[in-house]
Amino acid sequence: DIQMTQSPASLSASLGETVTIECLASEDIYSNLAWYQQKPGKSPQLLIYYANSLNDGVPSRFSGSGSGTQYSLKINSLQSEDVSIYFCQQNYDSPRTFGGGTKLELK
Amino acid sequence: EVQLVESGGGLVQPGRSMKLSCAASGFTFNNYDMAWVCQAPKKGLEWVATISYDGSSTYYRDSVKGRFTISRDNAKSTLYLQMDSLRSEDTATYYCARQGDYPGMGFDYWGQGVMVTVSS
Repeated sequence: DIQMTQSPASLSASLGETVTIECLASEDIYSNLAWYQQKPGKSPQLLIYYANSLNDGVPSRFSGSGSGTQYSLKINSLQSEDVSIYFCQQNYDSPRTFGGGTKLELK
Repeated sequence: EVQLVESGGGLVQPGRSMKLSCAASGFTFNNYDMAWVCQAPKKGLEWVATISYDGSSTYYRDSVKGRFTISRDNAKSTLYLQMDSLRSEDTATYYCARQGDYPGMGFDYWGQGVMVTVSS
């Protein structure tokens, strides 16, 4: 199975700040990487697919980048509604595997 | 508007069975692969199973192979997960999810989730 390692596990940032979350795959996943946002008590929502494609309706302050085994999610100008847990997921091979999640809180 | 509504969860004893359903609406159900994803309490996400758009192919994570069965009824726009020989480690919220338009896209819509608790 492809292992997905996310960092950091938790993150505290101020409103308006820029934050970056990293995701490392155990092997090359050829940009088949998705990012999800899960707000407290809610189901996950797709933010980014194919490493850098913004899903419909997702604010442009979210962006994704990376290739090979290393990927990142950047949130510009942090808003209060961005408080969530963020997960990466590889869609290159079965089983589809997720990162352990990054809990983003406001400072 | 795409909607996925799960039902059928609850408390079940170890070794018993439970069947989850997911009613889909707002899109052409038989055009999409569908999946179940679970999340143990305070834990991360785990893919459980996927079924192709026409039901001809199914895929499972190793820990549920031989115990869980994913199926669909395209006439009813409904996805199912039959869970047999349940174990305490199957305790989780189970989400129904739609596979995006492209294989590497991920899951573009999720249901609200249904809780399954396996305990005596």
